[in-house]
Amino acid sequence: DIVMTQSPLSLPVTPGEPASISCRSSQSLLKSDGYNYLDWYLQKPGQSPQLLIYLGSDRASGVPDRFSGSGSGTDFTLKISRVEAEDVGVYYCMQALLSPITFGQGTRLEIK
Amino acid sequence: EVQLVESGGGLVQPGGSLRLSCAASGFTFSNYWMTWVRQAPGKGLEWVASIKQDGSDRKYVDSVRGRFTISRDNAKNSLYLQMNSLRVEDTAVYYCGRSVKSAYDIWGQGTMVIVSS
Repeated sequence: DIVMTQSPLSLPVTPGEPASISCRSSQSLLKSDGYNYLDWYLQKPGQSPQLLIYLGSDRASGVPDRFSGSGSGTDFTLKISRVEAEDVGVYYCMQALLSPITFGQGTRLEIK
Repeated sequence: EVQLVESGGGLVQPGGSLRLSCAASGFTFSNYWMTWVRQAPGKGLEWVASIKQDGSDRKYVDSVRGRFTISRDNAKNSLYLQMNSLRVEDTAVYYCGRSVKSAYDIWGQGTMVIVSS
């Protein structure tokens, strides 16, 4: 199975400041079609997860442009350019290259 | 409105069975892979199973293979998860999700399954 490792696991951020979450996979997520099969999700408190980024760097519909995804192969990053109060929650990366689909442990973002 | 609504959760004894349903609306259900993901209390997300548009391909996480069966009825716009031989460790909120370009872009609100004696 592909193991997904996120860091940090806890991320206190001051509103208006940037934030960055790292996700590493135990094997490359770059497929022969040129896409990285890596997605990012946010689970706000008491809610279902919501898709933020798919295929490594494509923003999902309705996601603010302060969210961006980058990386390739085994190293990926989710960046928030200016954190807002509504960004609080747990962020998960997920690999969709191979079954079983696997998620990272989650990174809890909190407001300072 | 594009929507997924799960139902069928509840309290069941170890070794028992439960069938979850997921009703889809607002999109052409038969065009999409569909998925079940679960979340144990206070824990992270765990993929459980996925099914192809016509039901011809099904995938499972090892921990449920042979006990759970994912299925769908495209005429009823519905996804199912038949769960047999339930264990305490299957206790979780179960979410259904729509798969698009490898990602899950629509999620339901979840249904809680508690396995306890």
